[in-house]
Amino acid sequence: AQKITQTQPGMFVQEKEAVTLDCTYDTSDPSYGLFWYKQPSSGEMIFLIYQGSYDQQNATEGRYSLNFQKARKSANLVISASQLGDSAMYFCAMREGAETSYDKVIFGPGTSLSVIP
Amino acid sequence: AAGVIQSPRHLIKEKRETATLKCYPIPRHDTVYWYQQGPGQDPQFLISFYEKMQSDKGSIPDRFSAQQFSDYHSELNMSSLELGDSALYFCASGTGTSGTDTQYFGPGTRLTVL
Repeated sequence: AQKITQTQPGMFVQEKEAVTLDCTYDTSDPSYGLFWYKQPSSGEMIFLIYQGSYDQQNATEGRYSLNFQKARKSANLVISASQLGDSAMYFCAMREGAETSYDKVIFGPGTSLSVIP
Repeated sequence: AAGVIQSPRHLIKEKRETATLKCYPIPRHDTVYWYQQGPGQDPQFLISFYEKMQSDKGSIPDRFSAQQFSDYHSELNMSSLELGDSALYFCASGTGTSGTDTQYFGPGTRLTVL
């Protein structure tokens, strides 16, 4: 079964507007970490933001914020004031805690974001 | 800030040849992870090392092997290359093996098998 679901294969957003990229996850482990990575067309994988399963507050990093709804198992990425350089593939990922193999990060299928001038 | 270094950045090999990919983690990171990303796909975990010992293994073919050295750098050795091995290979490093540790990725090595 898919552990990470990203239901939006592709999205468009107008420059300077905000956009939300959806992510839902599936785990029975009480301890886990959720990550968002950005992959531009050049290929590198850039870490954006992290949310721990026990964190009480939503994570924020500059223009990125993570809307964490634990009961719904959702971890949506919000990008405020979109810029042309935000055009990229965005991956939601999870790393589970002690009850399972806890080393690997499991990636979702990704959402391709295009920012329109 | 120092990042993960991977070499080479691009590699072209023929079928049945051997390739070695190198990864230098961020200083003071003791854990290294290898991922394979095929065209249009999400990265898939191959193998990881913590303090020079293999800590986890994913969908890594038997033709591939890896190790972490005393200076914490890691090498992924790939033999009898096949066309399907063409992919972007990422190395990531981190400071531990709990679920809350962030993995920082290198720029990747793009391997093309002809």
